[in-house]
Amino acid sequence: DSGVTQTPKHLITATGQRVTLRCSPRSGDLSVYWYQQSLDQGLQFLIQYYNGEERAKGNILERFSAQQFPDLHSELNLSSLELGDSALYFCASSVGPRLTNEKLFFGSGTQLSVL
Amino acid sequence: KNQVEQSPQSLIILEGKNCTLQCNYTVSPFSNLRWYKQDTGRGPVSLTIMTFSENTKSNGRYTATLDADTKQSSLHITASQLSDSASYICVVRGSSTLGRLYFGRGTQLTVWP
Repeated sequence: DSGVTQTPKHLITATGQRVTLRCSPRSGDLSVYWYQQSLDQGLQFLIQYYNGEERAKGNILERFSAQQFPDLHSELNLSSLELGDSALYFCASSVGPRLTNEKLFFGSGTQLSVL
Repeated sequence: KNQVEQSPQSLIILEGKNCTLQCNYTVSPFSNLRWYKQDTGRGPVSLTIMTFSENTKSNGRYTATLDADTKQSSLHITASQLSDSASYICVVRGSSTLGRLYFGRGTQLTVWP
């Protein structure tokens, strides 16, 4: 168990809808990262938050947004969903803002299916 | 362009056999390289980290090597077990201010009894 909790584990929705994915980092970790993993793609970095502030942005679509709350949990909001958004979404956490020699601790992911 | 390429894409071996997975990268400047193991339906878990000055590092039956000159790394698994069946992902960290991570697509290893 990595200590990172993601909910829900599975999510099935229709095109055009909006969903929210939730992540609770490991106790003591201040950074939260969101990744998207499609069947034929590796892990794609979406966005990083550190202690409530956006730290880095990757290939995150404008339809997607995220935030980190004072209790350090994070939510990833996906709107106007398209079939191509179907993927496994992972949250990861680390202590600091920069992964010098730290490793990421990943949650078990949320499998999103857009029908 | 900073990239991480892994080979083979997939591999099937018999239980008890050894195998070697490859990772080539073009990330520069380079900070470190990690190998992660991802079981089906689970998040990746770090196996080992290699920094610029390290050539070889072992973690049980897993041995990682790094040649920073040729920008190549390998992960050798000895005496494979059924539980080794997973995707193995090579992740390279750049040493710029943000320390961005570059992910390979992974090698899917299947160990048959």
